[in-house]
Amino acid sequence: DSGVTQTPKHLITATGQRVTLRCSPRSGDLSVYWYQQSLDQGLQFLIQYYNGEERAKGNILERFSAQQFPDLHSELNLSSLELGDSALYFCASSSERLAEFEFGPGTRLTVL
Amino acid sequence: EDKVVQSPLSLVVHEGDTVTLNCSYEVTNFRSLLWYKQEKKAPTFLFMLTSSGIEKKSGRLSSILDKKELFSILNITATQTGDSAVYLCAVDQNYGGSQGNLIFGKGTKLSVKP
Repeated sequence: DSGVTQTPKHLITATGQRVTLRCSPRSGDLSVYWYQQSLDQGLQFLIQYYNGEERAKGNILERFSAQQFPDLHSELNLSSLELGDSALYFCASSSERLAEFEFGPGTRLTVL
Repeated sequence: EDKVVQSPLSLVVHEGDTVTLNCSYEVTNFRSLLWYKQEKKAPTFLFMLTSSGIEKKSGRLSSILDKKELFSILNITATQTGDSAVYLCAVDQNYGGSQGNLIFGKGTKLSVKP
């Protein structure tokens, strides 16, 4: 399966902690996007990387950061976690055709 | 502020009914509008619309965009229980040549009863 993969599937942690979410894009895709889906805010764009470079930023908190590595996988780092950071975090990747934009299965983060 | 508004927020119908889901938007630098279906997992792509008045169809689903009135509709005919899901509308902006920075609506939760 060459689709978008994300690890871990579930993550439970405590307030104040730091976590790292990992994403591998679909084979051949250079763009990686991170989205957050919470019950009250819905799906929100966080950040985009293209071939290792940050391309666009959305509603990403300063406590959050991301990077894309030479092998094109990406990591989203969340620090000083708060209860409100509990959400589903999706990674997506795309080729040049937006219609081929594909979401990964998501990481469910629970902050206790 | 850019926004995408979907209505209704939830809808309950019976199998065989036809439903229309609405999406209106106020977004600068509009590039395209997309519809997704989300069950208990990641959203899956349904349609991408870029031009007004051209209907896109896939089986029992169809969608159309009106760029003058800034809205789109998603129609589902002869609904089945498998159509039960949250339907998400999103707008892609032309953001410095970049694409995929989607603004999503809150979704319409469709429940189809047998």
